[in-house]
Amino acid sequence: GIQVEQSPPDLILQEGANSTLRCNFSDSVNNLQWFHQNPWGQLINLFYIPSGTKQNGRLSATTVATERYSLLYISSSQTTDSGVYFCAASISSGSARQLTFGSGTQLTVLP
Amino acid sequence: DAGITQSPRHKVTETGTPVTLRCHQTENHRYMYWYRQDPGHGLRLIHYSYGVKDTDKGEVSDGYSVSRSKTEDFLLTLESATSSQTSVYFCAILPTGGETQYFGPGTRLLVL
Repeated sequence: GIQVEQSPPDLILQEGANSTLRCNFSDSVNNLQWFHQNPWGQLINLFYIPSGTKQNGRLSATTVATERYSLLYISSSQTTDSGVYFCAASISSGSARQLTFGSGTQLTVLP
Repeated sequence: DAGITQSPRHKVTETGTPVTLRCHQTENHRYMYWYRQDPGHGLRLIHYSYGVKDTDKGEVSDGYSVSRSKTEDFLLTLESATSSQTSVYFCAILPTGGETQYFGPGTRLLVL
């Protein structure tokens, strides 16, 4: 099956700093999602982005499908951005959209 | 939260006992999923369902069974719990016609 790798595994930032999280995948995908897991364990959808670029406030994401990677940008980070960021991908089409997750990036934003 | 609830939210059980976790959705979506989350592994798919009585295995299905007798409920059963099944279990749904899965709040299971 598809392999999904995320880097870095851990990231510590000072509040206000910018960061880039990377997700590499081993095969062509038709579904790529980014999630944020907050310190209470809740998984929050950030982006559905199989290709192209999207922005939502201080967060933006870019997927270059032909080169098999996706990037999540966090600008002017805040302490509430802390948590684990996961990317997940699927190569299934017209079927059950089974997602394969990366191992995540643990982000800590210090005040 | 896309109308997804999981019960129980926390459970402690002993090795060898059966355990059933419930996922309930309020919007009659066709696709439902069970994942487990362990340190260093992200989330891994256990089983999924694409309709009433239609289920299939995921990446880590050994030791688990599922049932879906009603659209709104997807049950995950550990027939004889083992310590390796200590984990956080998440249910997810895929809205009809959508591409994005939405997750429930999770169930923390500790098998002693």
